[in-house]
Amino acid sequence: SQQGEEDPQALSIQEGENATMNCSYKTSINNLQWYRQNSGRGLVHLILIRSNEREKHSGRLRVTLDTSKKSSSLLITASRAADTASYFCATVLIQGAQKLVFGQGTRLTINP
Amino acid sequence: EAQVTQNPRYLITVTGKKLTVTCSQNMNHEYMSWYRQDPGLGLRQIYYSMNVEVTDKGDVPEGYKVSRKEKRNFPLILESPSPNQTSLYFCASSLSRMNEKLFFGSGTQLSVL
Repeated sequence: SQQGEEDPQALSIQEGENATMNCSYKTSINNLQWYRQNSGRGLVHLILIRSNEREKHSGRLRVTLDTSKKSSSLLITASRAADTASYFCATVLIQGAQKLVFGQGTRLTINP
Repeated sequence: EAQVTQNPRYLITVTGKKLTVTCSQNMNHEYMSWYRQDPGLGLRQIYYSMNVEVTDKGDVPEGYKVSRKEKRNFPLILESPSPNQTSLYFCASSLSRMNEKLFFGSGTQLSVL
């Protein structure tokens, strides 16, 4: 099974509303990253949060990390139609090959 | 402009006909990697390279080859493509380690008939 699993698999909201996506993982991590993918295109890095950090902000994005619950959330405030995309969390395990392992993604649709 | 360039964007081929997907980055990154993306399976790593002449298998390396003769280039080679290699392929790079921010190419949609 995947190390990182996003929830929900799909989310549809109205423009201007906030969107929250969650990521759960199974084993201890070095860092956790969020990426965005527009349909069929390459992934774009959004934000990286390290295991000793609890919250990070970047523009309209807010990421939290709870290592005790092995979970992270991505909040997009004041959503726009251009935010429509798939969002992936990717984790880097403390042990092993130290590579990024991607979840299956949340498909976000912003309705105008 | 800093970027990872993949070519071609779309490719249709037939079973057994050797092909190469090129990948080039202009950021002097040490780490490069190939992924395939399939519905329901997410992104899976095929091969990666920590530096010139250093390559290693990812999670799904069967049927693929790579080379890293120059720092900027990391081609993906399918010696004898099969229909189960029909997928969306991405090349990615990062500055020095595999656990840092990845820069992705635009993708190559491959169909093997």
